[in-house]
Amino acid sequence: QKEVEQNSGPLSVPEGAIASLNCTYSDRGSQSFFWYRQYSGKSPELIMSIYSNGDKEDGRFTAQLNKASQYVSLLIRDSQPSDSATYLCAVTRMDTGRRALTFGSGTRLQVQP
Amino acid sequence: DGGITQSPKYLFRKEGQNVTLSCEQNLNHDAMYWYRQDPGQGLRLIYYSQIVNDFQKGDIAEGYSVSREKKESFPLTVTSAQKNPTAFYLCASIRQGDTGELFFGEGSRLTVL
Repeated sequence: QKEVEQNSGPLSVPEGAIASLNCTYSDRGSQSFFWYRQYSGKSPELIMSIYSNGDKEDGRFTAQLNKASQYVSLLIRDSQPSDSATYLCAVTRMDTGRRALTFGSGTRLQVQP
Repeated sequence: DGGITQSPKYLFRKEGQNVTLSCEQNLNHDAMYWYRQDPGQGLRLIYYSQIVNDFQKGDIAEGYSVSREKKESFPLTVTSAQKNPTAFYLCASIRQGDTGELFFGEGSRLTVL
């Protein structure tokens, strides 16, 4: 079982729709959760971070965390063609010396104009 | 402006040659990381360093070496022992005490001819 699992996609949504991206993780000790956006050939950029159960909203983005079920999701409202990218889910725990992020393989999102 | 600078952006290498990728940060961050990304894949941890003069192996350290002689610098050498070195290499850093958010450089794309 992979430590962080994501559906590779592509997930195709029409412009203006809600895109829903999901991620599950295996380490119950995970404490910090991140969504990164990566355009082709570029480095990842942080979109959202979430540390406690529930929802966290930032503009058109909402991150949702459910530690009991070990999943984290990202909702993108009013999707735009510029949102077309690969979205990487990453998790870490801060109580070990390593403190490095473990990444999923990413979900490719395509927003159709 | 503070950030992480990786060089070169593109590098071609013949089989059997060692190559060193540079990573410099002026964010005053303590911890630095090297990740590797293959097409359609997530990021995999090669090496990380929490403090100067100390570093640890990540999940795929074989065929790589690093040094951390200065806080600002964390170069990665891809040796001839690395069997599949063609990949996108990403350097990242994080402040100690932060909740795990990584800042990435722009990446170095290595191609073995």
